[in-house]
Amino acid sequence: LAKTTQPISMDSYEGQEVNITCSHNNIATNDYITWYQQFPSQGPRFIIQGYKTKVTNEVASLFIPADRKSSTLSLPRVSLSDTAVYYCLVGGQRTGANNLFFGTGTRLTVIP
Amino acid sequence: NAGVTQTPKFQVLKTGQSMTLQCAQDMNHEYMSWYRQDPGMGLRLIHYSVGAGITDQGEVPNGYNVSRSTTEDFPLRLLSAAPSQTSVYFCASSYDGNHEQYFGPGTRLTVT
Repeated sequence: LAKTTQPISMDSYEGQEVNITCSHNNIATNDYITWYQQFPSQGPRFIIQGYKTKVTNEVASLFIPADRKSSTLSLPRVSLSDTAVYYCLVGGQRTGANNLFFGTGTRLTVIP
Repeated sequence: NAGVTQTPKFQVLKTGQSMTLQCAQDMNHEYMSWYRQDPGMGLRLIHYSVGAGITDQGEVPNGYNVSRSTTEDFPLRLLSAAPSQTSVYFCASSYDGNHEQYFGPGTRLTVT
């Protein structure tokens, strides 16, 4: 079971770029890296997913180095509404199993 | 599409009582999962299913049963509720183990 390590919390001012790094030393060859966002009293919401190099969508970018033992979620120009907990997950389809470990996530607080 | 729906939203049980948390999805997803989230913690996988008729245990399966008779529904049964099962329960579905999971709104369970 590939577990992840993230900073417990981060603070950022509005308008800044935020980078959250996740370590996953035991990532397997067929594992994907997925990031979720969770607001209080809500279920997690998918942000972005990648396998290698860089992935970008309308809300974030995901940077994955060649060894894939870490990944960095980049949120451009954060606003107060980006205050949430961010989870990095590593896993996927192994022999039909769905082994995804959420961990405690990174609590991002955006300051006015 | 309603996405992933969960009922009830809130439930209070006495120790020893049993109940079923309902989860349904209308996206024709094969993968469905149940997680619990304790205060200040990440999500922990209880049980999951890779298709109708197939279920397997996650990280914290003790005290819970599941079945998957249809693609749409994945109920979670508490056999004999204990205070340690006080938590928020999230159901999720996905196309397969590599793709994003869609989460329901959660069920907040209190066992006294």
